[in-house]
Amino acid sequence: QVQLVQSGAEVKKPGASVKVSCKASGYTFTSYGISWVRQAPGQGLEWMGWISAYNGNTNYAQKLQGRVTMTTDTSTSTAYMELRSLRSDDTAVYYCARAAIAAAGENWFDPWGQGTLVTVSS
Amino acid sequence: SSELTQDPAVSVALGQTVRITCQGDSLRSYYASWYQQKPGQAPVLVIYGKNNRPSGIPDRFSGSSSGNTASLTITGAQAEDEADYYCNSRDSSGNHPGVVFGGGTKLTVL
Repeated sequence: QVQLVQSGAEVKKPGASVKVSCKASGYTFTSYGISWVRQAPGQGLEWMGWISAYNGNTNYAQKLQGRVTMTTDTSTSTAYMELRSLRSDDTAVYYCARAAIAAAGENWFDPWGQGTLVTVSS
Repeated sequence: SSELTQDPAVSVALGQTVRITCQGDSLRSYYASWYQQKPGQAPVLVIYGKNNRPSGIPDRFSGSSSGNTASLTITGAQAEDEADYYCNSRDSSGNHPGVVFGGGTKLTVL
């Protein structure tokens, strides 16, 4: 079955960086993109960006531009999300999700990884 | 960038029909997708495209769209449908296209 498995929880100090991994299985990795979505405690979902697993093209949310980098390793079907200069308000559960885009342009995310809690605290 | 607006909370009696709405300018151009999230769990896709259900999603879930409003309808709500529901769509407004999520609707099944 299609599955995304993420790396474990992280605790970081303000100003540090974090890199979360997302290993895909059960489908052809390069046929889809991967999006990253985060959810602060008690809050809604926030889209962070997207990477094409086919050619590595990226599209980042404007508010994170300059602090986030998304990459893929097609040899291991793994996607990575690195967030730098961490602040306390970056504390959240970070999800990866397989991203599909229809010909008409609409997108959807299915399935999602189990989530990775990143805590930023001094 | 565009925004998607959802009612924060909606309730429905067991077995009745409930509609959860999502409003935004981007919905005039793109269909919404809908996600169900239960406490402590990752979101699950329930509707995408014009009105498509992924494998395993019960047929009591359906989607529709009109103008700037997308709707998720649950016909015959069950206790296990109690969850947060989020809509999402592409956002091609402004000079930085991306993706936008609604703020979420907490569904209570009475």
